Amino acid sequence: NSKVIQTPRYLVKGQGQKAKMRCIPEKGHPVVFWYQQNKNNEFKFLINFQNQEVLQQIDMTEKRFSAECPSNSPCSLEIQSSEAGDSALYLCASSLLDRQNTLYFGAGTRLSVL
Amino acid sequence: GDSVTQTEGLVTLTKGLPVMLNCTYQTTYSPFLFWYVQHLNEAPKLLLKSSTDNKRTEHQGFYATLHKSSSSFHLQKSSVQLSDSALYFCALRNSGTYQRFGTGTKLQVVP
Repeated sequence: NSKVIQTPRYLVKGQGQKAKMRCIPEKGHPVVFWYQQNKNNEFKFLINFQNQEVLQQIDMTEKRFSAECPSNSPCSLEIQSSEAGDSALYLCASSLLDRQNTLYFGAGTRLSVL
Repeated sequence: GDSVTQTEGLVTLTKGLPVMLNCTYQTTYSPFLFWYVQHLNEAPKLLLKSSTDNKRTEHQGFYATLHKSSSSFHLQKSSVQLSDSALYFCALRNSGTYQRFGTGTKLQVVP
């Protein structure tokens, strides 16, 4: 069973609404990743954190998404104004620091934007 | 730029037959390659990984060899089972901060 906990499992929003999802990484993992998996099962990297600091993010994330990983609280990813094209499975993963290290994924939050 | 290519979208096989799922990559940096498996409605999880050229790595009956000369990391199994039906993703980590995933291959094993 996954030790990365994502909530909620399902999220339904109307266009223009905010959508917020949370992730508790595996204990001891300083790096957290968010990926979007679309209906064709393709993964798109969104943003990652080392502890509370952003390591890297793509343009889309900078413009319409906000994310944080506060100390002693779950990480979160929020879409400020949902669009139909945002409907997808949002996967959170955590890892140790080294680039060889495995990503441990949560089960995801499935967002449907109506 | 860096990329990962998985050529088969869907592979359907009869139980007991061998399988090879293709993965090739492009990068100018020293690569670290991963295979993840995602069963229906479950989290993706690591199957195996490697950064060592020409060394076979194995886990749960699956195996792969990183060949830097051909930029490949194909996943193989000698005899597939019904429980192997899942999505399989190849991923590349180079000098960047995240793993880049291929488009995935759906493996369907039939009786």
